[in-house]
Amino acid sequence: NAGVTQTPKFRILKIGQSMTLQCTQDMNHNYMYWYRQDPGMGLKLIYYSVGAGITDKGEVPNGYNVSRSTTEDFPLRLELAAPSQTSVYFCASSYGSEQYFGPGTRLTVT
Amino acid sequence: AQSVTQLGSHVSVSEGALVLLRCNYSSSVPPYLFWYVQYPNQGLQLLLKYTTGATLVKGINGFEAEFKKSETSFHLTKPSAHMSDAAEYFCAVSGGFGNEKLTFGTGTRLTIIP
Repeated sequence: NAGVTQTPKFRILKIGQSMTLQCTQDMNHNYMYWYRQDPGMGLKLIYYSVGAGITDKGEVPNGYNVSRSTTEDFPLRLELAAPSQTSVYFCASSYGSEQYFGPGTRLTVT
Repeated sequence: AQSVTQLGSHVSVSEGALVLLRCNYSSSVPPYLFWYVQYPNQGLQLLLKYTTGATLVKGINGFEAEFKKSETSFHLTKPSAHMSDAAEYFCAVSGGFGNEKLTFGTGTRLTIIP
């Protein structure tokens, strides 16, 4: 039981490039989430999903897109990367009140 | 809507001393409250949570927290700090069952002085 896994661990992007951050969970959780963590700011919710085929915006969705074609996977897409998207990204899943977090992806946009 | 305020972005305590990390929340519905810990370069791990019932909740690693509705607080305590407690701690609130989205505080970095 691996829990929540994220790939890659680190990535450097040039301004204007695009990429997909992968997130997979093996706990059969319906709810999944994407957060970004900036120094001194806590975690901000980008997008979330309550089940396959259903996604919704969180607090800071601009510049990102998501899809949820299966229960296990919840990829986060960055189109036209900007320096403001430099951050650490965490994926999480939940069943009930407790969220389980992945190890994070550290993204730098230069 | 919910919000969380953590007082003190940095807290230092001596090894063996009491740890007290403060969290106040705002919620328009009965809240679920959480404390998460983050060690360097790792994801977040749940320390403890309050949903309903007993207002004093015990978590892992000797931590506990008390839900005080009248004070809208959920402060985290540990009687005796250990070097391994050095980490960043996040308080979070959700709107309860059916509204599991978490709103996080800005975090408190705990340093343990040998």
